[in-house]
Amino acid sequence: DIQMTQSPSSVSASVGDRVTITCRASQAIGTWLAWYQQKPGKAPQLLIYAASSLQSGGPSRFSDSGSGTDFTLIISSLQPEDSATYYCQQGKSLPFTFGQGTRLEIK
Amino acid sequence: EVQLVESGGGLVQPGGSLRLSCAVSGFTFSDHYMDWVRQAPGKGLEWVGRSRNKAHSYSTEYAASVKGRFTISRDDSKNSLYLEMNSLKTEDTAVYYCARAMSNKFDPWGQGTLVTVSS
Repeated sequence: DIQMTQSPSSVSASVGDRVTITCRASQAIGTWLAWYQQKPGKAPQLLIYAASSLQSGGPSRFSDSGSGTDFTLIISSLQPEDSATYYCQQGKSLPFTFGQGTRLEIK
Repeated sequence: EVQLVESGGGLVQPGGSLRLSCAVSGFTFSDHYMDWVRQAPGKGLEWVGRSRNKAHSYSTEYAASVKGRFTISRDDSKNSLYLEMNSLKTEDTAVYYCARAMSNKFDPWGQGTLVTVSS
């Protein structure tokens, strides 16, 4: 199975800050990488797919860079509504696997 | 509007069974692969399994943790996906989500249904 490792596990930042969350795959996955945002008590929502494509309706302050094994979710200017837990997921091969999540808190 | 609505969750004793349903509207259900993903309380996301479409013989895939105990099925005439869970263990306690699978990413997701396995 492909292991997905996210860091940090939690981060606290202020409105307007640039925030980065990294995701590392245990083997190369090309661009078969998706990011999800999950707010408390809600289902996850697709944020970015194919490593760099923003889901329709997603804020443009979210972007991703990377391919192969190392990926980075970037929030260019943090907004209060971005407080959530973020998960990466590999879609390269079954079983699909998720990172352990990064909890983002607004200071 | 695309909607996925899960139902059937509840409290069940270890060793028991439960059947979850996912009712879909707003897109052509029969064209799509559909997946189940679960989330234990306070934990991360775990992929459970997949149902492929008719063009791929309705074949299924399962995570090792549920293989042999869980069965995924679908009824295209009812736009519904099912998860039959047998020999339930306490570690199966989770919110279960159904999700449309497109190019191995999940979008959208249902609101989830909570399954609690406890004596």
